[in-house]
Amino acid sequence: NAGVTQTPKFRVLKTGQSMTLLCAQDMNHEYMYWYRQDPGMGLRLIHYSVGEGTTAKGEVPDGYNVSRLKKQNFLLGLESAAPSQTSVYFCASSSIGGNQPQHFGDGTRLSIL
Amino acid sequence: SQQGEEDPQALSIQEGENATMNCSYKTSINNLQWYRQNSGRGLVHLILIRSNEREKHSGRLRVTLDTSKKSSSLLITASRAADTASYFCATVNTGGFKTIFGAGTRLFVKA
Repeated sequence: NAGVTQTPKFRVLKTGQSMTLLCAQDMNHEYMYWYRQDPGMGLRLIHYSVGEGTTAKGEVPDGYNVSRLKKQNFLLGLESAAPSQTSVYFCASSSIGGNQPQHFGDGTRLSIL
Repeated sequence: SQQGEEDPQALSIQEGENATMNCSYKTSINNLQWYRQNSGRGLVHLILIRSNEREKHSGRLRVTLDTSKKSSSLLITASRAADTASYFCATVNTGGFKTIFGAGTRLFVKA
């Protein structure tokens, strides 16, 4: 049982390049989330989805876009990468929001040069 | 914006000792959760305590919640080297569903 899988695990980009991070979950969860983790700041919510075909902005959405075309997948896109987007990105899912724990992937470590 | 703030930021203890981490928050909550993160890995859920609960246990973990003081504590008894990790509290506000994470406590257990 894989749980939440993130690809790639590591990536180095140059400023201005674009890329897509993929998150896949096999638990049939409705809710999915993208966070970024920076030193000393905990996790900050970028975007989230409450079901297939829906997305919404979180706390720090600028510079990112997301899509949830299939229930099991949640994609995070960076259209024009900036050094400030260097971070570790985590995807999570939950069966419902709030009253159930979130299940996390192992993260994507992204460096923007 | 961070809701939960953990204290201390870092904690170093000997194997076999108890470890206590505290979390304070600012607004009314639906529930509070504790997560563990090992180095280089994602967060793993430990315990969820609802606003109408005062204490919960899971193995060597004990969580308390004091809504009047807007605080929670996580106690790990008889710690082991494998408990070395970062521990995060996370809150879900009343009427909401988003989970807001604190900055975490880094625990180091020396063998």
